[in-house]
Amino acid sequence: EDQVTQSPEALRLQEGESSSLNCSYTVSGLRGLFWYRQDPGKGPEFLFTLYSAGEEKEKERLKATLTKKESFLHITAPKPEDSATYLCAVQAPSLQGGSEKLVFGKGTKLTVNP
Amino acid sequence: NAGVMQNPRHLVRRRGQEARLRCSPMKGHSHVYWYRQLPEEGLKFMVYLQKENIIDESGMPKERFSAEFPKEGPSILRIQQVVRGDSAAYFCASSSTGRDSPLHFGNGTRLTVT
Repeated sequence: EDQVTQSPEALRLQEGESSSLNCSYTVSGLRGLFWYRQDPGKGPEFLFTLYSAGEEKEKERLKATLTKKESFLHITAPKPEDSATYLCAVQAPSLQGGSEKLVFGKGTKLTVNP
Repeated sequence: NAGVMQNPRHLVRRRGQEARLRCSPMKGHSHVYWYRQLPEEGLKFMVYLQKENIIDESGMPKERFSAEFPKEGPSILRIQQVVRGDSAAYFCASSSTGRDSPLHFGNGTRLTVT
């Protein structure tokens, strides 16, 4: 069964204090790994897709990397507005023909204090 | 350029009543997914639909839950005879091709069963 584990569950940072979030996955045949941001009361907002080990993507203060077993979301010099829950999800070939569902981790709740 | 639209945002039902949740995908998107999010839990896949077809319903409870995506109009997630355990946030997502394309989520419907 495909599994996604995110750590830590919660992380508190001071503004400007860089850190990384971890996403470990077990999947048979990774088609893609996705990062989303979710604010309270809102739906997840798409950030990145990574397809193969060694791939990196960047957007403002965020950089996502991928290995064969895990992905990291690096946050450089975070600001209070980066506070949110960050979700990791994997997409794998499905036994149900054509299904492209995502399997999500429980997320890391990030709080950035000013 | 409207995103994924879900309504209602909040829905309160008494035990035994029916709940109908609606989702209009992004313009040009023909793939719709429904997810459920319980407090302190990750997003759990329920069902994947294309126009007039259910592609994968492996995450749907066998009883009381049904989904449709008609040729015209929004996708509907229907829960009959609701119980307190059905209280959750229900998110709809859409994508353009399904394969390898990111899911774009709506802001969800928060169902409370009293």
